[in-house]
Amino acid sequence: GESVGLHLPTLSVQEGDNSIINCAYSNSASDYFIWYKQESGKGPQFIIDIRSNMDKRQGQRVTVLLNKTVKHLSLQIAATQPGDSAVYFCAENIPTKGGKLIFGQGTELSVKP
Amino acid sequence: GAGVSQSPSNKVTEKGKDVELRCDPISGHTALYWYRQSLGQGLEFLIYFQGNSAPDKSGLPSDRFSAERTGGSVSTLTIQRTQQEDSAVYLCATALGGPGDTQYFGPGTRLTVL
Repeated sequence: GESVGLHLPTLSVQEGDNSIINCAYSNSASDYFIWYKQESGKGPQFIIDIRSNMDKRQGQRVTVLLNKTVKHLSLQIAATQPGDSAVYFCAENIPTKGGKLIFGQGTELSVKP
Repeated sequence: GAGVSQSPSNKVTEKGKDVELRCDPISGHTALYWYRQSLGQGLEFLIYFQGNSAPDKSGLPSDRFSAERTGGSVSTLTIQRTQQEDSAVYLCATALGGPGDTQYFGPGTRLTVL
């Protein structure tokens, strides 16, 4: 029979709109957070990262916000394009555990032309 | 190459057979990680190599799984006596230094156990 897959949250946006993808993390000791983009059939691709001594960091068309009080992370994509369609994962890095990443469940972003 | 490479890209095997998956890191990267991505479990850590230190094997799901890293470069993940629940995408990531450095992922190996 068909196996039950991991149910991903989905976000559908119109091309040109801004997208906001949210993530909650679990460990107060986490001090480094990364957003990855994964297209179908490919490995996760680094987008942007942020250290715990910051609450905002901007890249090209992307901004990451970190709220340590409520252990929340968000990725904002400006002027979303069809090429932005992918699954987006947040990951937390705990240096005391060798730097292994703990991934969120992912959000599937779909951009409508 | 400029990025992490993995081979094979796809592997289909029969239950009970052994498989070897290979990872070629970015040149100069001393840290190497293996992760598994499956439908039911998302992305999960398997094992971590840092330089010549003993690897962190805390994520390996059973003793059928093992990995080695020769000369601090290429890594091989071996799964013995494969089971259907081993079907997943196996991803390798490397980082320049160690904990706290950005990890860059390879394209993965899709393993299907029949």
